[in-house]
Amino acid sequence: KQEVTQIPAALSVPEGENLVLNCSFTDSAIYNLQWFRQDPGKGLTSLLLIQSSQREQTSGRLNASLDKSSGRSTLYIAASQPGDSATYLCAVGEETSGSRLTFGEGTQLTVNP
Amino acid sequence: NAGVTQTPKFRVLKTGQSMTLLCAQDMNHEYMYWYRQDPGMGLRLIHYSVGEGTTAKGEVPDGYNVSRLKKQNFLLGLESAAPSQTSVYFCASSPTGRRLNEKLFFGSGTQLSVL
Repeated sequence: KQEVTQIPAALSVPEGENLVLNCSFTDSAIYNLQWFRQDPGKGLTSLLLIQSSQREQTSGRLNASLDKSSGRSTLYIAASQPGDSATYLCAVGEETSGSRLTFGEGTQLTVNP
Repeated sequence: NAGVTQTPKFRVLKTGQSMTLLCAQDMNHEYMYWYRQDPGMGLRLIHYSVGEGTTAKGEVPDGYNVSRLKKQNFLLGLESAAPSQTSVYFCASSPTGRRLNEKLFFGSGTQLSVL
């Protein structure tokens, strides 16, 4: 059974800092990996999706990397802003289940002004 | 531009009561999903549907039933609510569920408390 772990569970940084969120998964036979953002009391918004054949994806100040063989992904946020404060979740789709995802518990990020 | 809409947003039930959560999407997506989110457990898949008239069990299906009579709607039912079903429920959809670059689109969630 696929297990997804995110470290750290919570992170507090000053505004302007570059930061890295980590995600690891136990079964490397993945279809894709997505990073989501969740604001308090809201649903999830997909930020980046990396296909299993890709190594990274970028969107603005966000860069996600994937090392399928080692079962790891990182989300890099450059020049963090208070508006980046949210919970970030990693989720993997497996080859046998298409877009049915297995989620990590998330990293709660606080960016202090 | 509604996307995925869930109703209701909040609900309090007594143990043994029944209720139905409604999910509607206006993007003509084939696949729809129901997840529950609990502290320390992440999001877990309850049931999903790969098209109109189809349903399948996810990771934690016990105590729930679903129906997909229309392509745009996916209903989640609790026949006899239990305190263990206190959770935040999210509906999601994806275009086909079969392409490598498909993202999931989520509703804003339903906070359910069972007393």
